[in-house]
Amino acid sequence: QSALTQPASVSGSPGQSITISCTGTSSDVGGYDFVSWYQHHPGKVPKLMMFEVTKRPSGVSNRFSGSKSGNTASLTISGLQAEDEAHYYCCSFAGSGTWVVFGGGTKLTVL
Amino acid sequence: QLQLQESGPGLVKPSETLSLTCIVSGGSISRSGYYWGWIRQPPGEGLDWIGSMYSGGNTYYNPSLKSRVTISLDTSNNQFSMRLTSVTAADTAVYYCTSQVATVDRFDYWGQGTPVTVSS
Repeated sequence: QSALTQPASVSGSPGQSITISCTGTSSDVGGYDFVSWYQHHPGKVPKLMMFEVTKRPSGVSNRFSGSKSGNTASLTISGLQAEDEAHYYCCSFAGSGTWVVFGGGTKLTVL
Repeated sequence: QLQLQESGPGLVKPSETLSLTCIVSGGSISRSGYYWGWIRQPPGEGLDWIGSMYSGGNTYYNPSLKSRVTISLDTSNNQFSMRLTSVTAADTAVYYCTSQVATVDRFDYWGQGTPVTVSS
């Protein structure tokens, strides 16, 4: 069982917006602004899409945005495109003892 | 631009030790502010952080694996390694070497991943 809880799946039509949630506790997501998101296409290498909750790495589309409220972080993808279909994983710093935890992943389907 | 490439056995017997190496090119593993580590993905499951080592020497391990895993840096060959002892079928996974840049949540660079099967 993963430390962070994500919905198993979400879906949306091209052009729509979707949001993927990532729920933790005050010991991880809620306690630090070190939450990142990864896009993983089958057979490919996971790609960093967001870090420190809201920061986009160079080269990542501005259709991707991150936010956090309390113990829940969210990744929003606007203007859905077919190429966005993938698994998405959240990750959070969890303090000096546990250090890093991942969510179980969310499969995004573009209808 | 950093490039990471894993190497190691694709098959390991139960109870034995899994040893993987990650060769780094495009930059020195001694550079300040970088963490070097490993993440795995068991078949049909999500990502599982194994551990990371700061360029300055501090190591951080997943508490569930801490008793079995060791990560080390080989600065002379610009590579780093992972050893996982007493493996079982549950350790079957694709293993990725990674680099975290500046902040602990920022896994910027990944190797291509190497599949490891634990079976007799």
